[in-house]
Amino acid sequence: GESVGLHLPTLSVQEGDNSIINCAYSNSASDYFIWYKQESGKGPQFIIDIRSNMDKRQGQRVTVLLNKTVKHLSLQIAATQPGDSAVYFCAETPGNQGGKLIFGQGTELSVKP
Amino acid sequence: DTAVSQTPKYLVTQMGNDKSIKCEQNLGHDTMYWYKQDSKKFLKIMFSYNNKELIINETVPNRFSPKSPDKAHLNLHINSLELGDSAVYFCASSQDPRGGGAFFGQGTRLTVV
Repeated sequence: GESVGLHLPTLSVQEGDNSIINCAYSNSASDYFIWYKQESGKGPQFIIDIRSNMDKRQGQRVTVLLNKTVKHLSLQIAATQPGDSAVYFCAETPGNQGGKLIFGQGTELSVKP
Repeated sequence: DTAVSQTPKYLVTQMGNDKSIKCEQNLGHDTMYWYKQDSKKFLKIMFSYNNKELIINETVPNRFSPKSPDKAHLNLHINSLELGDSAVYFCASSQDPRGGGAFFGQGTRLTVV
């Protein structure tokens, strides 16, 4: 079956440190990947995306890395801040399934001041 | 201005009742979705509509019936509610029918008692 799994369900980091959240996907047909942030009581919020023809994409304080060989995706957050505390989801879009997003389990990031 | 708004935010109802959740987006997007998030925060797509046409139906029980009167609205009607329907339901929209960069509403927490 399809799955997008995460290696760590929880991650605790010190403020100012860098955070790395990992994700494994299983659908080789997936060609578009997104990271979402979900704060308590809110809907998922788009952070950054990457297409399968790229292996790295940078945003403001965030970087997404894609390794298609091992079907692995990661989100790096630089200088993590208390406001980064949330649940982070990776999502994949299989190219042949009409646009649905398949979400991973989610990783809860906790930033200690 | 709220991009994707859904009402109500909270819904508590008894088993067997019929209820509706409304969703509106003011982004001018052609594609709208309903996702369900369970108690373990796992997000799974239920339906997607592109310009009022059903695109994805993820084997959701037919007690769930989406209705799209126009491309800015996608409502979810649920008949004969069951305890297992308790979850947070998220509406989302995107310009890309392949789901990229979908914007999510704040969610409706449905509790069936």
